[in-house]
Amino acid sequence: KAGVTQTPRYLIKTRGQQVTLSCSPISGHRSVSWYQQTPGQGLQFLFEYFSETQRNKGNFPGRFSGRQFSNSRSEMNVSTLELGDSALYLCASSLMINQPQHFGDGTRLSIL
Amino acid sequence: KQEVTQIPAALSVPEGENLVLNCSFTDSAIYNLQWFRQDPGKGLTSLLLIQSSQREQTSGRLNASLDKSSGRSTLYIAASQPGDSATYLCAVAAGGTSYGKLTFGQGTILTVHP
Repeated sequence: KAGVTQTPRYLIKTRGQQVTLSCSPISGHRSVSWYQQTPGQGLQFLFEYFSETQRNKGNFPGRFSGRQFSNSRSEMNVSTLELGDSALYLCASSLMINQPQHFGDGTRLSIL
Repeated sequence: KQEVTQIPAALSVPEGENLVLNCSFTDSAIYNLQWFRQDPGKGLTSLLLIQSSQREQTSGRLNASLDKSSGRSTLYIAASQPGDSATYLCAVAAGGTSYGKLTFGQGTILTVHP
């Protein structure tokens, strides 16, 4: 059974640009969550989608947005990139309540 | 606001030693608690999930306990091996429809040397 797949693995952008990251959850999983990981702040919750609806949102500016498609695949978008957006972005999916979250290997985003 | 703290921040032990990692959380209204490991440059691997109604969970050499009332969890690793070297993270899920939102600790970096 395929795990959570995130593409691309690495991205280099410059300040002011925008970026779209993609996440394909494990087949059958309808909940997809996104996290940002940095050395200073650790892992921080960005948002969660369930059946194409955003169910929870973390404390991030409006430049961070996401969506989920009918096949449960999810994308997140960051506009007007800043140096501080350099991070590992992780996606996780889960089957249902009280089931573990399964993480992808992440997208490493570097802003120059 | 939920806050999760992990102690110690780093731990170095010789192979074969039993060890305990600690996790504490400020809001006891959690739905479950998960322990993960993260290898360098990789995502997170789920190790154990404890529901709020449970006291402990075991998987192989790993045992995790949960004391919800005191806001504490421990991860016990028996007979540690060099392959156990990684960063260990605990995370709590709030109740209701927020179970997909995890709050993480800063992690414990474990090094097991031969």
